Amino acid sequence: GAGVSQSPSNKVTEKGKDVELRCDPISGHTALYWYRQSLGQGLEFLIYFQGNSAPDKSGLPSDRFSAERTGGSVSTLTIQRTQQEDSAVYLCASSLVRANTGELFFGEGSRLTVL
Amino acid sequence: QKEVEQDPGPLSVPEGAIVSLNCTYSNSAFQYFMWYRQYSRKGPELLMYTYSSGNKEDGRFTAQVDKSSKYISLFIRDSQPSDSATYLCAMGVGSQGNLIFGKGTKLSVKP
Repeated sequence: GAGVSQSPSNKVTEKGKDVELRCDPISGHTALYWYRQSLGQGLEFLIYFQGNSAPDKSGLPSDRFSAERTGGSVSTLTIQRTQQEDSAVYLCASSLVRANTGELFFGEGSRLTVL
Repeated sequence: QKEVEQDPGPLSVPEGAIVSLNCTYSNSAFQYFMWYRQYSRKGPELLMYTYSSGNKEDGRFTAQVDKSSKYISLFIRDSQPSDSATYLCAMGVGSQGNLIFGKGTKLSVKP
């Protein structure tokens, strides 16, 4: 079957604009994660979904960031009023169980550039 | 001190060399230890997974966990140019919390 699919693969936007990033996880995976990867900063956890609920939003850096997941499948990460420091690769991952005891399957990421 | 420390490199070795990649950590509650490999412009993929202390071998790759020293290692034997990638360590605490990733070490294996 297909892996984790993310879109768009690249997004260039102007400072102050809103952006939406989409993640389509592997079918049947109940856990979904968003991470941010900046140059030299490694993987930064943003939010975790179990089904449609988000028991852990602790990594969202500000209230400009929000995410939702519908139907236990597709997730959207929204960044409002983008800033230059939001420029990064946003990675989505899914797993059958919570990833501490299982394997995370990553998409190829959405590369966001804020001018 | 960050929870997980990993030297970002870059590390450059000749083909056939033995490579040693390492991470240190501060949280003694970590029980699950993983190594992910990330090729340029791709998402990370799981390479090795270890629970608690000890060694695990898979082909040319060996993962070691020393919980007493809070130190984990990944060894690559007979390194190949196709091993050129960024290697990220990751750790977790059972059913609670999230995986914590190191910053990744960029490895280049020269033919």
